[in-house]
Amino acid sequence: AAGVIQSPRHLIKEKRETATLKCYPIPRHDTVYWYQQGPGQDPQFLISFYEKMQSDKGSIPDRFSAQQFSDYHSELNMSSLELGDSALYFCASSGDSGTEAFFGQGTRLTVV
Amino acid sequence: GNSVTQMEGPVTLSEEAFLTINCTYTATGYPSLFWYVQYPGEGLQLLLKATKADDKGSNKGFEATYRKETTSFHLEKGSVQVSDSAVYFCALSGKGNSGYALNFGKGTSLLVTP
Repeated sequence: AAGVIQSPRHLIKEKRETATLKCYPIPRHDTVYWYQQGPGQDPQFLISFYEKMQSDKGSIPDRFSAQQFSDYHSELNMSSLELGDSALYFCASSGDSGTEAFFGQGTRLTVV
Repeated sequence: GNSVTQMEGPVTLSEEAFLTINCTYTATGYPSLFWYVQYPGEGLQLLLKATKADDKGSNKGFEATYRKETTSFHLEKGSVQVSDSAVYFCALSGKGNSGYALNFGKGTSLLVTP
């Protein structure tokens, strides 16, 4: 069965650079969530989209932005990267609000 | 707002021991409850879920019962294996400050030794 696909799996950037993370949800899923998991931490909700519109916002820094495109894939754009942005970034998708979310393998971002 | 509290680890058990990881929650309304497992270097996998009070979720020998009266969703397994070593996250999804996004507990690291 198709799963949530994230790319790239690993990314190394320097401070003050920009990064773009991509997420391809499970087909026919209309909701995408982005989470950030720091080392040894629990995942923190950043932002979500439903039917290509932003639906909810969590602890997403102003330096980050995201969008969902017409084919339902989503991109998380991160600018002016800081060392503290080093983390695992997960994307999850669900077929309906309130139902279970399926997670991708994550993108490990390292800022040096 | 919604929140999840789970017991801190690490938890170290011998193979075939009984496992309990406590999880309690705070939420308005009727959230759905989940246990996710994260193996080293991997993503989050849904282990089991329960969507209403008294529901029991089960998978791979793990069980958890949605207890509304005690606002709990404790994870149990009768006989753990070395391959169960991972980090376990309790989570809830319900209408809250962040819509239906998952609220995770801090995670409990489990190490099972032969």
